[in-house]
Amino acid sequence: AQSVAQPEDQVNVAEGNPLTVKCTYSVSGNPYLFWYVQYPNRGLQFLLKYITGDNLVKGSYGFEAEFNKSQTSFHLKKPSALVSDSALYFCAVRGFSSGSARQLTFGSGTQLTVLP
Amino acid sequence: NAGVTQTPKFQVLKTGQSMTLQCAQDMNHEYMSWYRQDPGMGLRLIHYSVGAGITDQGEVPNGYNVSRSTTEDFPLRLLSAAPSQTSVYFCASSSLLAGIETQYFGPGTRLLVL
Repeated sequence: AQSVAQPEDQVNVAEGNPLTVKCTYSVSGNPYLFWYVQYPNRGLQFLLKYITGDNLVKGSYGFEAEFNKSQTSFHLKKPSALVSDSALYFCAVRGFSSGSARQLTFGSGTQLTVLP
Repeated sequence: NAGVTQTPKFQVLKTGQSMTLQCAQDMNHEYMSWYRQDPGMGLRLIHYSVGAGITDQGEVPNGYNVSRSTTEDFPLRLLSAAPSQTSVYFCASSSLLAGIETQYFGPGTRLLVL
């Protein structure tokens, strides 16, 4: 079965500093990996995805993520954090076996707080 | 476009009661899904559909039924509510061509089962 781990429930960073939100995954075969953001009382919004190719993918709002196959990681990064980046972030994986495994499996989420 | 709409926004049920959570989208998306979100557990897939008349189970389908009679609507039914079904429920949709990862999520329904 595919799975996603987000080892940090909470990440705090000062505005203007770089931020990293960690994600590791487990899936059979090559993964499709995704990041989503959730603002309070809202549904999830798609940020970026890795399918194949360059290990560094760029997404919305200045976010990027680095795929590392040997470490089975897909960490979300941003060079300079904004207070408005404060939100709940979810990593997700999609595998290629049959049935529900072809659907998205989400991590437990990481609350990012950017301090002014 | 209204996007993905969900009703009600909030509901309180007693154990054993039934109810239907409504979901509609106006983007002509083939793929629709229902997730539940619980603290510390992320989103878990309940049921999904790849088109009218086609539904399938996700990770946590027990206690829930769905149907897809039209492209636009994908209601989620709780036949006999249990306290374990207290959660926030999200409906989402996407075009199969764009990929399910680009799902548009509704604003959610908060359900409390007493």
